[in-house]
Amino acid sequence: DGGITQSPKYLFRKEGQNVTLSCEQNLNHDAMYWYRQDPGQGLRLIYYSQIVNDFQKGDIAEGYSVSREKKESFPLTVTSAQKNPTAFYLCASSIGQDYGYTFGSGTRLTVV
Amino acid sequence: AQSVTQLDSHVSVSEGTPVLLRCNYSSSYSPSLFWYVQHPNKGLQLLLKYTSAATLVKGINGFEAEFKKSETSFHLTKPSAHMSDAAEYFCVVRGGNAGNMLTFGGGTRLMVKP
Repeated sequence: DGGITQSPKYLFRKEGQNVTLSCEQNLNHDAMYWYRQDPGQGLRLIYYSQIVNDFQKGDIAEGYSVSREKKESFPLTVTSAQKNPTAFYLCASSIGQDYGYTFGSGTRLTVV
Repeated sequence: AQSVTQLDSHVSVSEGTPVLLRCNYSSSYSPSLFWYVQHPNKGLQLLLKYTSAATLVKGINGFEAEFKKSETSFHLTKPSAHMSDAAEYFCVVRGGNAGNMLTFGGGTRLMVKP
């Protein structure tokens, strides 16, 4: 079955550590996205990539980094520079305009 | 800039009664509009989408939404709520000067009482 796989489902990190969230899709979608979701809020765009080897900052990119070396993969690194990283992170992909996004099941990151 | 406003952060209905989740948008261009549902600790699932075809859009699980340009609204309805409908619902706009990007509303939490 085609879809998006995010791993791990739950992640705990100590303050000052970098951590990488995985996002893999087998839908052959060109575009991929990372969103952050906080309680009672909608989704906010962190980074997006329209094509391999290219990515753009979203609305809240500070403290995050990404890479897009393969079409299928779009990992997100939460760096120690991110002041408030505890959140639910969602990865999505899209085949193009006029289509909705396909979302992964999310990773809940908690800083301890 | 485009924006989406979901008028109610929480909606509570009894099982078997109608559901109405309200959404207003602003966009300089003819947008594409979507409704997504999110169950606890899950990703978002597409319920339905409007992309300039019929203004009344039917989605999955008995949901539908009507695009009203004059009112800049895209309200989500269902004739009869089921317990399994309890979830968070997001109204989303795509297009305009944001290009291919999605702009999310703040979400509406639907609670269904037995």
